[in-house]
Amino acid sequence: NAGVTQTPKFQVLKTGQSMTLQCAQDMNHNSMYWYRQDPGMGLRLIYYSASEGTTDKGEVPNGYNVSRLNKREFSLRLESAAPSQTSVYFCASSEIRSSSEKLFFGSGTQLSVL
Amino acid sequence: GQQVMQIPQYQHVQEGEDFTTYCNSSTTLSNIQWYKQRPGGHPVFLIQLVKSGEVKKQKRLTFQFGEAKKNSSLHITATQTTDVGTYFCAGLGAGSYQLTFGKGTKLSVIP
Repeated sequence: NAGVTQTPKFQVLKTGQSMTLQCAQDMNHNSMYWYRQDPGMGLRLIYYSASEGTTDKGEVPNGYNVSRLNKREFSLRLESAAPSQTSVYFCASSEIRSSSEKLFFGSGTQLSVL
Repeated sequence: GQQVMQIPQYQHVQEGEDFTTYCNSSTTLSNIQWYKQRPGGHPVFLIQLVKSGEVKKQKRLTFQFGEAKKNSSLHITATQTTDVGTYFCAGLGAGSYQLTFGKGTKLSVIP
């Protein structure tokens, strides 16, 4: 049981390049999330998907797009990467979007934009 | 918007000493969750508190939720080197579906 799987683990981009971060979960969870983690800033929500077919903006959505491809997969796309997007990105999932659901996190993607 | 403040940002303790991290919200919370992130790892869920004044224990870890449901604390008794990591609180505002994370407390344990 892999849980939440993210690819790639590391990525270096040049300013202006695009890329897609992939996330898949095998726990049959309905809700999925993308967070970014910067030193001293905690975890900030970029986008989330409460259920298949829906996506909503989080706290810091600018410069990102997401796709909930199916119930298992939730991808994060950077169309034109900027140095400010250098961060560690975590995908997470929860069974349902409710007040009592704990988050299961993937192992993260360390992204550097030069 | 909702803000969750967590202090201290860093804590260095001698092995065997106690450790406490505090979390304060600007608004009343429906519940609060605690996560631990080991160095180089990902956040892992520890516990959730829901009721006003709730206290829960996990071995050497004691979690409290304030009476007003606006603050919480995590206390570790007799720290061990395995406790090293960053501890995050995450609060869910009343009527909200988005967890707001504190900035975390990074714990270092000196053997």
